[in-house]
Amino acid sequence: SYVLTQPPSVSVAPGKTASITCGGNYIGSKSVHWYQQKPGQAPVLVIYYDSDRPSGIPERFSGSNSGNTATLTISRVEAGDEADYYCQVWDSSSDHVFGTGTKVTVL
Amino acid sequence: EVQLVQSGAEVKKPGESLKISCKGSGYSFTNYWIGWVRQMPGKGLEWMGIIYPGDSDTKYSPSFQGQVTFSADKSISTAYLQWSSLKASDTAMYYCARRVAANYFDYWGQGTLVTVSS
Repeated sequence: SYVLTQPPSVSVAPGKTASITCGGNYIGSKSVHWYQQKPGQAPVLVIYYDSDRPSGIPERFSGSNSGNTATLTISRVEAGDEADYYCQVWDSSSDHVFGTGTKVTVL
Repeated sequence: EVQLVQSGAEVKKPGESLKISCKGSGYSFTNYWIGWVRQMPGKGLEWMGIIYPGDSDTKYSPSFQGQVTFSADKSISTAYLQWSSLKASDTAMYYCARRVAANYFDYWGQGTLVTVSS
């Protein structure tokens, strides 16, 4: 089965940049999607197709994908960005796969 | 406005049956797959499977095949997730989400908390 590995936690100071990685075998050949989940809330799509933003998502959120690693980047981090973030892909053998999740803490 | 509204929290005993719902509005319910996602307490997201309300075609994750059943009533734009015999390990938050053709989930329900305890 296809596995997506994320760091358990990332800490960042307000105004700085947070980078959240998502590792998977040849993930660069797949489309990666990212979700933000704040405490007690349902997940929200923040990036689709590696780097596209749904309407309403700030430009501070961006994504990239190459080789064996996809990355979600949050620029000029704000306190409101504190949340869990999950990557997700579709794989022909495993169907829909979510990453292990990363907790972003704003210092 | 696209909305997915799920049924309320449930408290059940082991061995009991349960059916929770997810009602879609603001879009053509029969034209999009609905996915179900489990989140156990303090844990990550797990894909359970999907159902196409247009013809009730289903795909289950191997981890959940035989453990749950998906169904849909397109006349009332509602998808269902059901268990025939709950276990304590089924205690979790369950989300429904609309899946688009590009295989991601663009709208999510608010979640249904299922607690199974004797």
